[in-house]
Amino acid sequence: AQTVTQSQPEMSVQEAETVTLSCTYDTSESDYYLFWYKQPPSRQMILVIRQEAYKQQNATENRFSVNFQKAAKSFSLKISDSQLGDAAMYFCAYRSYRGANSKLTFGKGITLSVRP
Amino acid sequence: NAGVTQTPKFQVLKTGQSMTLQCAQDMNHEYMSWYRQDPGMGLRLIHYSVGAGITDQGEVPNGYNVSRSTTEDFPLRLLSAAPSQTSVYFCASRRDRGRNNEKLFFGSGTQLSVL
Repeated sequence: AQTVTQSQPEMSVQEAETVTLSCTYDTSESDYYLFWYKQPPSRQMILVIRQEAYKQQNATENRFSVNFQKAAKSFSLKISDSQLGDAAMYFCAYRSYRGANSKLTFGKGITLSVRP
Repeated sequence: NAGVTQTPKFQVLKTGQSMTLQCAQDMNHEYMSWYRQDPGMGLRLIHYSVGAGITDQGEVPNGYNVSRSTTEDFPLRLLSAAPSQTSVYFCASRRDRGRNNEKLFFGSGTQLSVL
């Protein structure tokens, strides 16, 4: 079974600075997706960024980028120019590429606070 | 386009009561699922369905039932609520085929308290 580990329960960053959130995963598969979801206090789950394992290029979405290290099974999220609105809980998630019933497996999440 | 609609948003139950959390999506998604979110535990899969008439258990299915009589609806039933079921519940759906089928669309969640 696949597992996703987020070892840091909390992090803090100064507004306008850069922060990196860590995530590691365990799988025996070669094809899969990785995701970062943001959950602000509103409770809504918002997809921040996704990465397909077969792509060597790291995904980027505006101020959000990932460092995907397939051999190390590491998938960290970098937030540049942090803003107050980035304060939220962030979840790393894994999904197998194959199978209609492949499910999304989440890490335990990390709470990010942004200092003004 | 409403997306994934969950009702109610909040609910308080007494131990032993039953209730149904409703979930509906209007995107013609084949795959639907229920997660529960507990502090320090992330989101854990309760049940899922890959189409009408097909359901299967996830990681934490005990105490919950589901059915999928239509493509649009996927209700979650608590037959006899227990304090351990106090949690935030999310319904989520996605396409099963074609491009961009990896994106999961979430409802806004239901905060359930069992006293």
